[in-house]
Amino acid sequence: GENVGLHLPTLSVQEGDNSIINCAYSNSASDYFIWYKQESGKGPQFIIDIRSNMDKRQGQRVTVLLNKTVKHLSLQIAATQPGDSAVYFCAENFYGGATNKLIFGTGTLLAVQP
Amino acid sequence: NAGVTQTPKFRVLKTGQSMTLLCAQDMNHEYMYWYRQDPGMGLRLIHYSVGEGTTAKGEVPDGYNVSRLKKQNFLLGLESAAPSQTSVYFCASSPNTYILAGEPNEQFFGPGTRLTVL
Repeated sequence: GENVGLHLPTLSVQEGDNSIINCAYSNSASDYFIWYKQESGKGPQFIIDIRSNMDKRQGQRVTVLLNKTVKHLSLQIAATQPGDSAVYFCAENFYGGATNKLIFGTGTLLAVQP
Repeated sequence: NAGVTQTPKFRVLKTGQSMTLLCAQDMNHEYMYWYRQDPGMGLRLIHYSVGEGTTAKGEVPDGYNVSRLKKQNFLLGLESAAPSQTSVYFCASSPNTYILAGEPNEQFFGPGTRLTVL
């Protein structure tokens, strides 16, 4: 479920290690999912997406896994670099009436130790 | 191509004052959105627009008004600012087409406006 506390969940990894960030989504009717990266002082930036008819999608150094049975998403970052330090949000999309709507998770702070 | 821009970047208001945040996009997107982001929380949708001249309420619309007089601009107004409206505000836009095969359907975000209400 979502973390509504004041402190973000934090994942601390060593540079060069692989990172796995997890997300539970809420709506079984959601059919499209996005991972965003938000660096300090900036707006969210698209990383990778996946549709509900897929269970895995790979990008450059990133992989998203979708498990619809348990409503779970994960983002895997290979060979994590200091520039990957940011807050990562998952977002679920469903087409509600006239528009697609995104529901964002509370985010996970990824801290990469050099 | 500037993408999504927001003005101002920072603002401090006193309780009861009013102000307008401006969002502009140059991607010819039909949909535009205003979110607020509070510490330790995800983005919450305030209002959105599915086209010029249309607006609709999101998850947390109270205390805000919006207008979409031009396709490229989406204005967020605070009629009488309250300390609870201290937040970072993000504008976003997206194309109107629903998910095309092989195409992402992302929302493009601006850099944010940090608002403090004293």
